[in-house]
Amino acid sequence: DIQMTQSPSSLSASVGDRVTITCQASQDISNFLNWYQQKPGKAPKLLIYDASYLETGVPTRFSGSGSGTDFTFTISSLQPEDIATYYCQQYDNLPLTFGGGTKVEMK
Amino acid sequence: EVQLVESGGGLVHPGGSLRLSCAASEFTFSSYAMNWVRQAPGKGLEWVAAISGDGGSTYYADSVKGRFTISRDNSKNTLYLQMNSLRGEDTAVYYCGKDIVVVVAATVDSWGQGTLVTVSS
Repeated sequence: DIQMTQSPSSLSASVGDRVTITCQASQDISNFLNWYQQKPGKAPKLLIYDASYLETGVPTRFSGSGSGTDFTFTISSLQPEDIATYYCQQYDNLPLTFGGGTKVEMK
Repeated sequence: EVQLVESGGGLVHPGGSLRLSCAASEFTFSSYAMNWVRQAPGKGLEWVAAISGDGGSTYYADSVKGRFTISRDNSKNTLYLQMNSLRGEDTAVYYCGKDIVVVVAATVDSWGQGTLVTVSS
């Protein structure tokens, strides 16, 4: 199985801060990577697919980059509504695997 | 807007069985693969199973293979997860999720609200 290592596991930032989360795959997954946002008590929401493409309706302050084994997710200017846990997920091979999640909190 | 509504969760004893359902609407159900993803209390996301749009291909996580069965009834726009030989570690919120294409591509672009399964004596 492909292991997805996400870091940090949590972070605290202020409104307007740039937030960066990294995800490393245990093997080359090309660009077969998604990023999801999950707010407390809610279902996940797809934000980024194919490593860097923004899902329709998602604010442009969210972005993704990377290929191969190393990926980055960025919130360019943190907003209060961005408080959530973020997960990367590979779909290069089954079983699908998720990173452990990054909990983003407001400072 | 895509609607996915799970049902069938509840409390079950270890070794017991449960069948989850996911009623789909506002999209052409048979044109999309479907997934089940679960989340244990306070934990991360774990993919459980997937099925192609025509139901002809199914895939499972090793942790549930041989115990869980994913199926679909395209005439009823409903996805199922039959769960047998349940264990404590199966306790989780179970989400159904719509894939982006008819084959299993495993990008879930719409999710249900989830149904809680608790396995306990």
